[in-house]
Amino acid sequence: NAGVTQTPKFRVLKTGQSMTLLCAQDMNHEYMYWYRQDPGMGLRLIHYSVGEGTTAKGEVPDGYNVSRLKKQNFLLGLESAAPSQTSVYFCASKKRRIGDRGQDTGELFFGEGSRLTVL
Amino acid sequence: AQSVAQPEDQVNVAEGNPLTVKCTYSVSGNPYLFWYVQYPNRGLQFLLKYITGDNLVKGSYGFEAEFNKSQTSFHLKKPSALVSDSALYFCAVRDKAAGNKLTFGGGTRVLVKP
Repeated sequence: NAGVTQTPKFRVLKTGQSMTLLCAQDMNHEYMYWYRQDPGMGLRLIHYSVGEGTTAKGEVPDGYNVSRLKKQNFLLGLESAAPSQTSVYFCASKKRRIGDRGQDTGELFFGEGSRLTVL
Repeated sequence: AQSVAQPEDQVNVAEGNPLTVKCTYSVSGNPYLFWYVQYPNRGLQFLLKYITGDNLVKGSYGFEAEFNKSQTSFHLKKPSALVSDSALYFCAVRDKAAGNKLTFGGGTRVLVKP
């Protein structure tokens, strides 16, 4: 049971280059997320998806694009990398679980992260 | 807008002593609260959550957390800390009024010394 797998785990880019981070989950979860983690700032949501074929913007979506063509995969793309995008990127997935008050009670399952450096 | 505050960047504790990691939150509706732990070079792992019911929630690895609505706090505790508990801890809140969005605190680094 692999859980959430991210590839690649490390990447160095030059400013202006493009790349794609792949996230794959084998838990049949409906929801998937991309976060970035920067020192002292916790995790910030970039984009998310509530199901196959749907995506939505999070807190910090600028400079990123995403696609969810298959339920198990969620891709994060950088079309023209900038030094400000140097960060550790985490993918997460979650099973949809709605509680009595209509709130989502499910917990996130995270991948091990992808460290991206943009020079 | 909802928010989470972890007032301490780092907590140092001796092995065997009680450990407390503080978290306060601000939401407009009823909160669902979570604690996650991150070990070096790893992703975040779920520790425990408060949904409803008892204010004291028990989770993984001997951790527990107390929900206090009047103080809008959800502090993480462990009666006797282990060196292996040294990690980065994140508090998070989810609020239906905010579209069920999950907001994380900035994290607290815990260092348990032998």
